Amino acid sequence: AQSVTQPDIHITVSEGASLELRCNYSYGATPYLFWYVQSPGQGLQLLLKYFSGDTLVQGIKGFEAEFKRSQSSFNLRKPSVHWSDAAEYFCAVGATGGSYIPTFGRGTSLIVHP
Amino acid sequence: GAVVSQHPSWVICKSGTSVKIECRSLDFQATTMFWYRQFPKQSLMLMATSNEGSKATYEQGVEKDKFLINHASLTLSTLTVTSAHPEDSSFYICSARDPSPEVYEQYFGPGTRLTVT
Repeated sequence: AQSVTQPDIHITVSEGASLELRCNYSYGATPYLFWYVQSPGQGLQLLLKYFSGDTLVQGIKGFEAEFKRSQSSFNLRKPSVHWSDAAEYFCAVGATGGSYIPTFGRGTSLIVHP
Repeated sequence: GAVVSQHPSWVICKSGTSVKIECRSLDFQATTMFWYRQFPKQSLMLMATSNEGSKATYEQGVEKDKFLINHASLTLSTLTVTSAHPEDSSFYICSARDPSPEVYEQYFGPGTRLTVT
């Protein structure tokens, strides 16, 4: 079975600074990988996803993530954080083939200081 | 993107009563919907997979007689928490899968906060 580890419970950055949220997965093959953002009172929104191909994936809101098979990682990055990016971020891994069901990490809470 | 709604957004009920939560896909037909439970500062835990016209598939440890799921149409799934107790208080989130096989994307509802007193 697949699993996801988000080692950072909280991350605090200053507005305008760069951001990297870590995600490590465990799966026997190349998985489907996702990053979601959850803002208070709103549903989870998909930021980006990786299925195959280019390992650097561009998403919405200026986010990108890089799939590194050797490190079993799929870290989320943003070059310049805005105050509106403060939210909960979830990494998820889905098994390939057939009807996958993603497994979510525990989430990382992003705090943005002005 | 596609929109999934949930109703109600929050509900308070007394211990022993039942509560129904609705999940609707507004602009697409969802043959598969999922129900998650989220504890504060924790991950989303999949409770069950709901398939239109058939019985839901529950994850290990989830009481199917307590959490009744019905997926009567391609746009509506309901979760009924029966004989609710304070330990059932949680944030319940549904999602619906885009039926296009090449998409493999789930759209999430805004969640329902259940408080059992």
